[in-house]
Amino acid sequence: DAMVIQNPRYQVTQFGKPVTLSCSQTLNHNVMYWYQQKSSQAPKLLFHYYDKDFNNEADTPDNFQSRRPNTSFCFLDIRSPGLGDAAMYLCATSRSRTGSSYEQYFGPGTRLTVT
Amino acid sequence: AQSVSQHNHHVILSEAASLELGCNYSYGGTVNLFWYVQYPGQHLQLLLKYFSGDPLVKGIKGFEAEFIKSKFSFNLRKPSVQWSDTAEYFCAVNPLSGGYNKLIFGAGTRLAVHP
Repeated sequence: DAMVIQNPRYQVTQFGKPVTLSCSQTLNHNVMYWYQQKSSQAPKLLFHYYDKDFNNEADTPDNFQSRRPNTSFCFLDIRSPGLGDAAMYLCATSRSRTGSSYEQYFGPGTRLTVT
Repeated sequence: AQSVSQHNHHVILSEAASLELGCNYSYGGTVNLFWYVQYPGQHLQLLLKYFSGDPLVKGIKGFEAEFIKSKFSFNLRKPSVQWSDTAEYFCAVNPLSGGYNKLIFGAGTRLAVHP
């Protein structure tokens, strides 16, 4: 089945130690998104890639970076994780980012713990 | 700022009870509207969506939602819930302003259905 895959499902890192979360997709979608979801809060869009074009949300901290080496993979890098970065990180894809048939497909998420 | 409000954070029902989950948004222009569901341990899945046309939208598993433009609302309903509907439900809005599509999520409603 075509899907969005996130690895690992659970990640523990130390305060200030860089960490990378991974997302891959078999849907061949052009757009890949990263969301942060803190406990009991709404998923919040951090940034997205449209093909190789990176689009950062205005309020995403500089501590968060992303890479998309090819259509299938997208990485979320947290350069110096703080305790406030502990959250569920969701990856999503969509075929396009305009048009009326827009729909996003989500991965299972990676739960990040910062110690 | 654009926002999505879900009125109930936790709902507890008995099987066969009727369900209505409220969702209001603050954006005044044209929008696309979505309800996503997250079953325990699983990823976010699309339940139903509204793009245009009939404001009463039917989704999977017997769910429906009604778009009331004058009230900026998109409430989710099901006439008779089942134990398997236990999940977290997220309302999301795509404000169709210039540029690319994006989803703004509500904080979610946790539904527990008791047999």
